[in-house]
Amino acid sequence: QKEVEQDPGPLSVPEGAIVSLNCTYSNSAFQYFMWYRQYSRKGPELLMYTYSSGNKEDGRFTAQVDKSSKYISLFIRDSQPSDSATYLCAMSPMNAGGTSYGKLTFGQGTILTVHP
Amino acid sequence: KAGVTQTPRYLIKTRGQQVTLSCSPISGHRSVSWYQQTPGQGLQFLFEYFSETQRNKGNFPGRFSGRQFSNSRSEMNVSTLELGDSALYLCASSFWTGQGDEQYFGPGTRLTVT
Repeated sequence: QKEVEQDPGPLSVPEGAIVSLNCTYSNSAFQYFMWYRQYSRKGPELLMYTYSSGNKEDGRFTAQVDKSSKYISLFIRDSQPSDSATYLCAMSPMNAGGTSYGKLTFGQGTILTVHP
Repeated sequence: KAGVTQTPRYLIKTRGQQVTLSCSPISGHRSVSWYQQTPGQGLQFLFEYFSETQRNKGNFPGRFSGRQFSNSRSEMNVSTLELGDSALYLCASSFWTGQGDEQYFGPGTRLTVT
C-alpha cells in the first residue's frame, strides 16, 4: 500500500464549477502538506502549503487538512480552462529542527480538465 | 528572482552509458533535492543536498549519485544506464520558512534511454 493515495481521475468539469481534489495518507509522521500543479511537459508549481489542520485560503484555492482522518483536500472555486493540469498532493514529516530534509512523498496526481 | 534552472532539458542516451544532469537553485536557497518522475511510479525522491552534504537519500540503486557545489548548484549522475531510467528528472530548491520547507521545482530534464 502506498503511503499517499490520490485518485488519478481523470476529472472533467465545466468552467465555473467547484473542483474537489483529495488525498489520503497512512504515515502519522507527515506534518507538512502541499499541493502542486503540473502542466504538461513542465515542472510542478507550488500552489498551497500548510502544516496544521484546518483550512487555508488563497484566492480561488482552499487547502483543507484533517490530521485525525489523515485526509487532505484542495478546492478550486470558479474553475477556469487554464486550471486544466495534473494536481499533485505532497507531504513530509517534521524532523529535528523542523526540516523535511528534502523528502516529499507525492500522490499519483489527479488529471483535471476544465472545459469551456 | 530567477527560478530553478536545469540543463539540459532533453537527453537521449544508450543503455550502458552514463549521464550528468545539472541544477541551479533559486538564489539564496541552500537545499537541493532531486526526484524521478515516471508514468508508472509518479514522483520519487532520489536525494537531497544541503551545504555540499547529502542529508537524505531515497530508495534508488548506487548507480544514482549526486553532489552539490559551494555555490549550491547541484549535479546528479546516473551510471550504466538502463531502459527503465527513462524519466523526467526534477530538481527542487527549498528554503526554511521557520515552520517548514517550501520546495520549488525546475522544468526538469527528460532523459530517454534507448
